[in-house]
Amino acid sequence: NAGVMQNPRHLVRRRGQEARLRCSPMKGHSHVYWYRQLPEEGLKFMVYLQKENIIDESGMPKERFSAEFPKEGPSILRIQQVVRGDSAAYFCASSPPGRTRAYEQYFGPGTRLTVT
Amino acid sequence: QQQVKQSPQSLIVQKGGIPIINCAYENTAFDYFPWYQQFPGKGPALLIAIRPDVSEKKEGRFTISFNKSAKQFSLHIMDSQPGDSATYFCAASWGWREGTYKYIFGTGTRLKVLA
Repeated sequence: NAGVMQNPRHLVRRRGQEARLRCSPMKGHSHVYWYRQLPEEGLKFMVYLQKENIIDESGMPKERFSAEFPKEGPSILRIQQVVRGDSAAYFCASSPPGRTRAYEQYFGPGTRLTVT
Repeated sequence: QQQVKQSPQSLIVQKGGIPIINCAYENTAFDYFPWYQQFPGKGPALLIAIRPDVSEKKEGRFTISFNKSAKQFSLHIMDSQPGDSATYFCAASWGWREGTYKYIFGTGTRLKVLA
C-alpha cells in the first residue's frame, strides 16, 4: 500500500506566479489535510478536505490560497501570485474514514516551495 | 485553549541515554495524543500514540507516559541511537465534528544523539 504521495517534491516559482501542489492520499483514505512548515518551525494547519468538500479552511489565508479535493484525482493546493513569504514546506496528510481510525494522520514527503 | 506546549526545544544526549520530551495541553476535549518523528527533508512519520484512558504505552524503544490530571504527556526513547537524531513533534487531536478530527502540533524538539 503506497503512502501519501506529493508532487512536485521541489518547486521554484518567481514572485507573482502560481504554484500548484498535488497530494494523493493513501489508498482508502478519504480525509486530506494540508499543513505548512516554515524552517525550524512546527506544522501549521491550513485546510481539511474530504472528497468534493472543504471541511475546515480556518488555517488558510483568505487571499491567494485555495484547495480542492475532487471526486477523481489528487487534492490540489493552489497559491496564486506567490510572494517570498510563501516559501515553505507544504505537507499533505491523509486519514482513513470511519470513527475508529479517522484520528490517525499519515504524512507525505512534502513539497518544498521556493519563491525567488 | 487550542495549544500544545512542547519542551525542550533541543536536546543532546549520548548514545544509550534516555531523552525525554514533554508536552502539555489545556483543552480536556483532546482525546488522542500522537508523536511524530521527522528527519531533515522528509515528512513527519507517526511514531506512537496514546489515548487518555491509558497512562503508558510502549512500542519498541519508544514509550509515552500520560498524566491526565496534570494534562501532560511525554516521550521517552530508551537506549537512544545516533539514528534517532531527528525532530520530534507531539500533537493532540479531538473529534471536531462527527467523523472528523483535527490536530494541534507542538513546536518540535530537535534531538541529537552523539555516537
